[in-house]
Amino acid sequence: QQPVQSPQAVILREGEDAVINCSSSKALYSVHWYRQKHGEAPVFLMILLKGGEQKGHEKISASFNEKKQQSSLYLTASQLSYSGTYFCGTKNNDMRFGAGTRLTVKP
Amino acid sequence: DAGVIQSPRHEVTEMGQEVTLRCKPISGHNSLFWYRQTMMRGLELLIYFNNNVPIDDSGMPEDRFSAKMPNASFSTLKIQPSEPRDSAVYFCASCTGVSGANVLTFGAGSRLTVL
Repeated sequence: QQPVQSPQAVILREGEDAVINCSSSKALYSVHWYRQKHGEAPVFLMILLKGGEQKGHEKISASFNEKKQQSSLYLTASQLSYSGTYFCGTKNNDMRFGAGTRLTVKP
Repeated sequence: DAGVIQSPRHEVTEMGQEVTLRCKPISGHNSLFWYRQTMMRGLELLIYFNNNVPIDDSGMPEDRFSAKMPNASFSTLKIQPSEPRDSAVYFCASCTGVSGANVLTFGAGSRLTVL
């Protein structure tokens, strides 16, 4: 069963912040975040393995609440290069992705 | 490493024709995944292999789709006969194992158009 992402789309101005949420009806053992630019393949951003763990990558960070079976991706002071579609994935042998959140950053 | 290699990158074919998509995973990766991406359905998992053995093919849409992994360095996804609704981007991805900690690396994808 695939995770559920929200929102479906976000439009930001450069420098603004955004949060993308991911939830699952099944127990989460790990959450993976990927970004896909238009016409390209998804690229790995970060992985969260423990409940409550937060990871960071430049100005992109994520949290993982194992109890609530939720993860959130935080993009702060967004840059034009952040534009793309963000997917969360849950891996339990297989890897299933959410429907994606299309993020557009405008100048 | 050259990454996950897929071919062809683009395929245009007519309804009813057979289509074969190919994937070479990263050397040392023993899990391989096939995904289909469309606007309507997002990234759908079609099938995945571990150590060349198909583990879950429940995502394969119908009997027209089949996948094989004859050895650790090669996999194929075949559609016979193809239909216009099969038009999509097909991605292959590989990782080092089935653990939740293993990260997928995607190939560049094969864009299929069935007329």
